[in-house]
Amino acid sequence: DAGVTQSPTHLIKTRGQQVTLRCSPKSGHDTVSWYQQALGQGPQFIFQYYEEEERQRGNFPDRFSGHQFPNYSSELNVNALLLGDSALYLCASSWGVMDQPQHFGDGTRLSIL
Amino acid sequence: AQSVAQPEDQVNVAEGNPLTVKCTYSVSGNPYLFWYVQYPNRGLQFLLKYITGDNLVKGSYGFEAEFNKSQTSFHLKKPSALVSDSALYFCAVRDSTGANNLFFGTGTRLTVIP
Repeated sequence: DAGVTQSPTHLIKTRGQQVTLRCSPKSGHDTVSWYQQALGQGPQFIFQYYEEEERQRGNFPDRFSGHQFPNYSSELNVNALLLGDSALYLCASSWGVMDQPQHFGDGTRLSIL
Repeated sequence: AQSVAQPEDQVNVAEGNPLTVKCTYSVSGNPYLFWYVQYPNRGLQFLLKYITGDNLVKGSYGFEAEFNKSQTSFHLKKPSALVSDSALYFCAVRDSTGANNLFFGTGTRLTVIP
């Protein structure tokens, strides 16, 4: 049973560019959340998708956008990249019941030059 | 608003000794609390959760956590530490608005000394 898978594992971009990160949830999960983990910090919630809609959003600018597909997989898009966007981006999936734990992928390490 | 605090950036313990990693929380309503562990260059692995019920929660790899409502704490414990327990530990609280997203602490690096 595959867990949460994310691609790519590493990515290098320059300021001003755009990036798309991808996530496949754990089998049986229908909810996908995205987190940003800066170096030395805890993960910070970006947004959550359920039934192909953004259900909840954290304190991130509109440059961060996402999408969920009918097969529950998800994308995170970041436009106009800034140096401060350099971080580990984590995808987490869960089943709809709210007290179920989220399962995390190994993340995408994004470096902005 | 909800938050968790992990007052110790670093905890060192000798192999075989008991370990405690501290966490305090602030939330309106009933707290839903979690502990996750992160190994280098990996995502977060779920250890245990407190939703309701017994104040002592047992989780994966021999870890347990004690919920204390009066002290608003949720400390992670293990009776006998292993070198392989060395990792970064995060305490988290679920969004009190009812959404299933988490607010994480800043993490505690645990080092188990052989």
